[in-house]
Amino acid sequence: DIQMTQSPSSLSASVGDRVTITCRASQGISDRLVWYQQKPGKVPKLLIDVAATLQSGVPSRFSGSGSGTHFTLTISSLQPEDVATYYCQKNDNAPLTFGGGTKVEIK
Amino acid sequence: QVQLVQSGAEVQKPGASVKVSCKASGYTFTSYGISWVRQAPGQGLEWMGWISANNGDRHYAQNLRDRVTLTTDTSTSTAYMELRTLGSDDTAVYYCVRKPMGAASDYWGQGTLVTVSS
Repeated sequence: DIQMTQSPSSLSASVGDRVTITCRASQGISDRLVWYQQKPGKVPKLLIDVAATLQSGVPSRFSGSGSGTHFTLTISSLQPEDVATYYCQKNDNAPLTFGGGTKVEIK
Repeated sequence: QVQLVQSGAEVQKPGASVKVSCKASGYTFTSYGISWVRQAPGQGLEWMGWISANNGDRHYAQNLRDRVTLTTDTSTSTAYMELRTLGSDDTAVYYCVRKPMGAASDYWGQGTLVTVSS
């Protein structure tokens, strides 16, 4: 099975900083990569599909890129409401494995 | 509006089974699949499996294949997840998630806490 590895596992940044989270697949998955945001105590929310397509209502400071085995989620200017754990998930074929998550905090 | 409403919290003893329901509304149930995802306390998301509400095709995570069964009842637009031979490491919040064909899972149920304790 294809493994999904996120890095870092946690980060602390200042408001306004640019934040980048990486997700690597152990084998190529084309652009079949999804990003979710989970705020503390809440249900995960879909942010980005097919590696780079922002979902309706998601702020434009969020962006995704990549294909094959290397993907990134970027927050161009970190805001206090972005405190959350972010997960990538492969969305090509079962199993639809998640990455381990990246916890984003404000410094 | 799309809603997935799950059954309530459960407390089960080790070795027992649990069956969680997920009632869908606001869309054509048989046009989508349902994925099940769990999250142990303080841990990440774990994909458990997926079932097509159209034809019953299903896929399971390898580590749960022998203990989990996913089913649907199209007459009531309800999906079910049964997990058998529960152990303490099955204590988690269990989510059902709508899964469009070829697209990301989009709508999530509210989650069902299953606690395994003697």
